[in-house]
Amino acid sequence: EIVLTQSPGTLSLSPGERATLSCRASQSVSSNYLSWYQQRSGQAPRLLMYATSNRATGTPDRFSGSGSGTDFTLTISGLEPEDFAVYYCQQYSSSPPIIFGPGTKVDIK
Amino acid sequence: QLQLQESGSGLVKPSQTLSLTCVVSGDSISSGRYAWSWIRQPPGKGLEWIGYIYPRGSTYYSPSLTSRVTISVDRSKNQFSLKLNSVTAADTAVYYCARLTNYYDSSGSPQYYFDYWGQGTLVTVSS
Repeated sequence: EIVLTQSPGTLSLSPGERATLSCRASQSVSSNYLSWYQQRSGQAPRLLMYATSNRATGTPDRFSGSGSGTDFTLTISGLEPEDFAVYYCQQYSSSPPIIFGPGTKVDIK
Repeated sequence: QLQLQESGSGLVKPSQTLSLTCVVSGDSISSGRYAWSWIRQPPGKGLEWIGYIYPRGSTYYSPSLTSRVTISVDRSKNQFSLKLNSVTAADTAVYYCARLTNYYDSSGSPQYYFDYWGQGTLVTVSS
C-alpha cells in the first residue's frame, strides 16, 4: 500500500511570501494520478490541482504543481490572505484506490 | 453547476448503523466517467477515503472499512448512500460526498480527481 507523506506539517509564512509544499510517496506513482486540495477553515476541501500540474477551474495562476515518481511539489508564488489553509495531496492507485496525505497547514506568521 | 448535498442522522449510538445519503443535482448521476464517493474527516484530523461506487453498481472500499461499509446508488432519485455498521466513537467525523472524475487526457492516459464536494455533515457517535 502506498503511503503519502507531506512536509512540513505546518508552514508559517507572511502574505506575499512563496510557499513550497512537499508530497512524497512511498513508491512511484503516475503523475496523472496526483491531485492537490485546499481546505479552508470550516469548509469542504476543494480541488486545486490535478494530474500534478493542471490547475482546476478557478485556481489562480499563483498556484503551480510539479513532480514525478515519488516527489511532488505544490508552490504558491505569493501568498494571498485566502491561501492560508490546509493542503492535502491525494493519489489514485490500484489498491487501495484512493489515499490522502496527512496535510500541510499554511498559517500566518 | 453540479451540487452534492449530504443528509442523514447526525447522532448515532455505538454499535448501531450510520446512514447517510448524498443527493446530486445539476447533472445525472449516470452521466460520464464518474464515480461517487464518501470521504470523512474526524474532528481536527485529515481526510480518509471510505469508498466509491460507479452508477452501474461497482464498488470499491477502503481496506480498513470494507467489513463494515456499504455504498449503494439509486439512479432514479439521482442519489447515493452510505451505510456504516457497528459504529464506535472513532467513527465520529464530518462525512463528505464527492464526485470522482475519470478523465482521459490527449494522450489517452487516465486522470482521477475529486472535482465536486458536498458541504459535509457531522456525524457524532455517542450514547
